[in-house]
Amino acid sequence: QKEVEQDPGPLSVPEGAIVSLNCTYSNSAFQYFMWYRQYSRKGPELLMYTYSSGNKEDGRFTAQVDKSSKYISLFIRDSQPSDSATYLCAMSDGSSNTGKLIFGQGTTLQVKP
Amino acid sequence: SQTIHQWPATLVQPVGSPLSLECTVEGTSNPNLYWYRQAAGRGLQLLFYSVGIGQISSEVPQNLSASRPQDRQFILSSKKLLLSDSGFYLCAWSVYAKETQYFGPGTRLLVL
Repeated sequence: QKEVEQDPGPLSVPEGAIVSLNCTYSNSAFQYFMWYRQYSRKGPELLMYTYSSGNKEDGRFTAQVDKSSKYISLFIRDSQPSDSATYLCAMSDGSSNTGKLIFGQGTTLQVKP
Repeated sequence: SQTIHQWPATLVQPVGSPLSLECTVEGTSNPNLYWYRQAAGRGLQLLFYSVGIGQISSEVPQNLSASRPQDRQFILSSKKLLLSDSGFYLCAWSVYAKETQYFGPGTRLLVL
């Protein structure tokens, strides 16, 4: 079993839809959670960062962490064609000085005009 | 502000040839540095990380090596490339012992 599971998709939605992207994990020690967005042939860019449980909102994006279920989500409201990208979740238990992250496989999202 | 550079952006190399990819970070000191490989349609595979000059940790046995000759410079090398070394190579940095990593633009390597 992988430490972090993420449905690779692809996920195709019409413009304006609400998108839900999810990751599950097995290590209950994880407490730092990130979402990265990666456009085709580009490096990943940090989208959202959350510590421990709860919600964090930034514009059309909301990150949600449910540590009791070992489940994190990224919601995109009013999705736009420019949101078409691969979304990677990442997490860490913060226990070492290495800063190493465990990444999901990424979900490819296509928003159709 | 901090920036991270990688070069070259694209590289086509014959099997058996050497490799040198470079990554530099500006605007920060003593960063943690990372090399990842991403195969087409796949996730990120951590290859090496470094918490300081001359300190390299390898995550996956392979014919690649890494070096950190200066605080903000990270180099990925190979003496003889294999076909399986093709992929998208990403360098990343983080503030020491912090969890958020910031990625460079990547180098696309094709070994023929």
